[in-house]
Amino acid sequence: DAKTTQPTSMDCAEGRAANLPCNHSTISGNEYVYWYRQIHSQGPQYIIHGLKNNETNEMASLIITEDRKSSTLILPHATLRDTAVYYCIVRGPNTGNQFYFGTGTSLTVIP
Amino acid sequence: DAGVTQSPTHLIKTRGQQVTLRCSPKSGHDTVSWYQQALGQGPQFIFQYYEEEERQRGNFPDRFSGHQFPNYSSELNVNALLLGDSALYLCASSLIGLSYNEQFFGPGTRLTVL
Repeated sequence: DAKTTQPTSMDCAEGRAANLPCNHSTISGNEYVYWYRQIHSQGPQYIIHGLKNNETNEMASLIITEDRKSSTLILPHATLRDTAVYYCIVRGPNTGNQFYFGTGTSLTVIP
Repeated sequence: DAGVTQSPTHLIKTRGQQVTLRCSPKSGHDTVSWYQQALGQGPQFIFQYYEEEERQRGNFPDRFSGHQFPNYSSELNVNALLLGDSALYLCASSLIGLSYNEQFFGPGTRLTVL
């Protein structure tokens, strides 16, 4: 099942960077870290994923520690539309390549 | 490019009934996975279909079954419905083979069992 630990909830001021942490201390060398988010009652939306290098796309940045035991998702300029539940997922051959969601972090962006 | 579509959007059934949910994958995808999401919880993996066969299964009873068609679309069937089956059912599509492929999710079907 879920191999990650995330804070239950976080707040962030609009326009500021939102930094969402995730612990995955049992991650294996061939497992990827994925981030999805889910806006109320919609399907989860893919954000970003990485193996060991930091990654950036148009939505966010993913910082993975050198030992790969934790990572941080960064939304550089949070907007009200970024209010959602954010899921950190470890996925690879050891998980049958399936996505095991935990309960995620509920991020609230405050005006 | 059509994304993942699911039907119906909402469904109300009574205990003991059977239900069929449908999913069309994103164009170019060949693999469909189904998830159950209870209120306040993260999605739970039910099973995955590829080449019209169930390839992997999560911890769900045999009342949950599925099917994949030659055009890659899929159905989720649930028999003998229980109150606890009330949930958002999500379909996700992907390309098989590459462990780093992301899954694209549909909007879900909200099932209410009375």
